Amino acid sequence: DGGITQSPKYLFRKEGQNVTLSCEQNLNHDAMYWYRQDPGQGLRLIYYSQIVNDFQKGDIAEGYSVSREKKESFPLTVTSAQKNPTAFYLCASSRGGEQFFGPGTRLTVL
Amino acid sequence: QQQVKQSPQSLIVQKGGISIINCAYENTAFDYFPWYQQFPGKGPALLIAIRPDVSEKKEGRFTISFNKSAKQFSLHIMDSQPGDSATYFCAASISFQKLVFGTGTRLLVSP
Repeated sequence: DGGITQSPKYLFRKEGQNVTLSCEQNLNHDAMYWYRQDPGQGLRLIYYSQIVNDFQKGDIAEGYSVSREKKESFPLTVTSAQKNPTAFYLCASSRGGEQFFGPGTRLTVL
Repeated sequence: QQQVKQSPQSLIVQKGGISIINCAYENTAFDYFPWYQQFPGKGPALLIAIRPDVSEKKEGRFTISFNKSAKQFSLHIMDSQPGDSATYFCAASISFQKLVFGTGTRLLVSP
């Protein structure tokens, strides 16, 4: 089965802790993306990567970091510097066309 | 200039009716306009997309109408069904690069 997996589905974090969200794809897509979704605000781009070992900041990169060491994987770290981290996080991938989304991770900061 | 403005924010339609969601953009360099459907707790899924060289695209009950001169595009859902109840996002991009999303429309189709 080809697709994008995100884990975990739900994540709880205490204030001041860093947390890493996983995103894996087996679609052989070159590009991968991280979005944040808040109620009434649509999807906002955090980081994206067009190729392995390269990534660019999106519109709301502050307080987040990423790595792209493998084509299949694009983990997102939410650092303690992110002031409002509670949100639904979506990973996507594409190969010159349609973006396919994963099922998302809901992060709650306690 | 990178924004895509979407309306309405929410929409209630009776079963069998037509649902219409509108989007407007400013950046004339946009050349790819997809619509995504999202159910609660799930990731968005591509519904239908259009390039600016055509004015309309139809797939089943879903139609995109595109007005290049007005810089507007809309999604029409014919014979709306309760199973269509979801949040719909329009988006735009340049050469299939990063997508700019509208703020979403929550559609409720009443039985």
